[in-house]
Amino acid sequence: NAGVTQTPKFQVLKTGQSMTLQCAQDMNHNSMYWYRQDPGMGLRLIYYSASEGTTDKGEVPNGYNVSRLNKREFSLRLESAAPSQTSVYFCLRQRGETQYFGPGTRLLVL
Amino acid sequence: RKEVEQDPGPFNVPEGATVAFNCTYSNSASQSFFWYRQDCRKEPKLLMSVYSSGNEDGRFTAQLNRASQYISLLIRDSKLSDSATYLCVVAGGNKLVFGAGTILRVKS
Repeated sequence: NAGVTQTPKFQVLKTGQSMTLQCAQDMNHNSMYWYRQDPGMGLRLIYYSASEGTTDKGEVPNGYNVSRLNKREFSLRLESAAPSQTSVYFCLRQRGETQYFGPGTRLLVL
Repeated sequence: RKEVEQDPGPFNVPEGATVAFNCTYSNSASQSFFWYRQDCRKEPKLLMSVYSSGNEDGRFTAQLNRASQYISLLIRDSKLSDSATYLCVVAGGNKLVFGAGTILRVKS
């Protein structure tokens, strides 16, 4: 998967549960992103990180937190999952025109 | 108004046909432009960058019109394997903004 791994691949949560989606890259790219993809809505940016230790909100950050403690990893946390957060989550690493997505995490919140 | 807009399709075309997709964007300060391809239940993959002078990669041609704020993708001699969703992407600063995608179905 072009050097981007995401875990877990699938997850079912109950409303109110918390979880962390992990993303790791094996290249030294500064920029990493978290997107969610929903039918008819396309890919919407949740958070992004231009470099280690920095994060910024995207279009739909509510209900999420992120952490970029090192260059390699960018995690996405749901503190209290809601059914509206049922989606497919993709992590992206980027350096200029070199851009690769991870395989995605499919999340179902009941 | 969405930052990046695409016709969702689907575009149903026979093998061998030429098909074109357009995408409009609202931020005139956008700096970079790309087309991605996404197959069902898979992650999107970068298809090609789009340059002001236009660029070609085999059967695929991408064009950028900054004055009118749109980009296009032309696929010649469509193959069955071209069936996918095509996503337009606009970049500015540190953000990549995706369109919702255009569905292409190539039929034999």
